[in-house]
Amino acid sequence: AAGVIQSPRHLIKEKRETATLKCYPIPRHDTVYWYQQGPGQDPQFLISFYEKMQSDKGSIPDRFSAQQFSDYHSELNMSSLELGDSALYFCASSSRLNEQFFGPGTRLTVL
Amino acid sequence: AQKVTQAQTEISVVEKEDVTLDCVYETRDTTYYLFWYKQPPSGELVFLIRRNSFDEQNEISGRYSWNFQKSTSSFNFTITASQVVDSAVYFCALEIYNQGGKLIFGQGTELSVKP
Repeated sequence: AAGVIQSPRHLIKEKRETATLKCYPIPRHDTVYWYQQGPGQDPQFLISFYEKMQSDKGSIPDRFSAQQFSDYHSELNMSSLELGDSALYFCASSSRLNEQFFGPGTRLTVL
Repeated sequence: AQKVTQAQTEISVVEKEDVTLDCVYETRDTTYYLFWYKQPPSGELVFLIRRNSFDEQNEISGRYSWNFQKSTSSFNFTITASQVVDSAVYFCALEIYNQGGKLIFGQGTELSVKP
């Protein structure tokens, strides 16, 4: 069965650089979620999209933005990266009101 | 405010022992969902179960079982006859119905199963 695809799987950036994370949801899933998991922490909700519209927003820094495209894939754009942005970033997808399935995550390291 | 608490930070057992992971949640909403996810050392989050707030029936799936008690706001997870492959961090999570679907995670319990 198809799963959520995230790219890249690993990313190393310098402080103040920009990063773009991509997420390809499971086919026919209309909702995408982004979560950030710091080292030894639980995942924290960042933002979600339903049918290409932002549906909810969590603790997402203003330096971050995201969108969902017409093919339902989503991108998380992160600018002016800080050391504290180093984390595992998960994308999850669901069909409306059903359980979320998570991608393998993108491990971002900011040096 | 909604909150999920997993008081056990780490648990270590020997293979074939039974182990129960505790989860206590807080919410004033009457309609919600509870989840368990497994995060093995490779890092991915694996969905295990979803329960809605109106279904208190316990569930068993192979060596896994879940005990949902609204009276104590708990949703505990038991692994019977644990195996080394069960070693992982386990997260309990809460989703409030009709609030966009975001998951509120507990802090996680790291389970180590030794041979």
